Amino acid sequence: AAGVIQSPRHLIKEKRETATLKCYPIPRHDTVYWYQQGPGQDPQFLISFYEKMQSDKGSIPDRFSAQQFSDYHSELNMSSLELGDSALYFCASSLGVRDNEQFFGPGTRLTVL
Amino acid sequence: SQELEQSPQSLIVQEGKNLTINCTSSKTLYGLYWYKQKYGEGLIFLMMLQKGGEEKSHEKITAKLDEKKQQSSLHITASQPSHAGIYLCGADSGTYKYIFGTGTRLKVLA
Repeated sequence: AAGVIQSPRHLIKEKRETATLKCYPIPRHDTVYWYQQGPGQDPQFLISFYEKMQSDKGSIPDRFSAQQFSDYHSELNMSSLELGDSALYFCASSLGVRDNEQFFGPGTRLTVL
Repeated sequence: SQELEQSPQSLIVQEGKNLTINCTSSKTLYGLYWYKQKYGEGLIFLMMLQKGGEEKSHEKITAKLDEKKQQSSLHITASQPSHAGIYLCGADSGTYKYIFGTGTRLKVLA
């Protein structure tokens, strides 16, 4: 069965550069979630989208933005990268927003040098 | 804001032993999820519990949500080295916000 696809799997950037992470949800899933997990830390919810509209916002820095496109894939744009942005970024998808199982992608490991 | 507290924070057991991980919420849970994460890898969904008193099992893992819907337990029977990893509980806090517990790091000694 198709799973959540994230690209790239690994990304190395310099401070102050920008990065774009992509998430392709499971077919027919209309909801996408982004999470950030720092080294040795628990995942933190960043933002979610339902039917191409932002449904909720968590601890996403102002330097980051995200959107969901008409084909339901989502992109997380990160600007003015800082060392502290180095983390594993997970995307998850579900059908609908409430009480539905979230399926997680493999994550994108971002390293900021 | 709602918080999820897990206990214990870390656990080392001998292969074949049973173990229990608890997840306590500061508020009523609308949905409680259990995930497993192998070190440095992605999250794997284990189970979702919604109704008070609900209990679900998958292979040797059983999870239960208490009647008051503020605590869940995850029980592993006859643990194996493949059970090692980080177990996280997660919850829908009721306003489309998703939060995670503090995590329990499990090591199973062969």
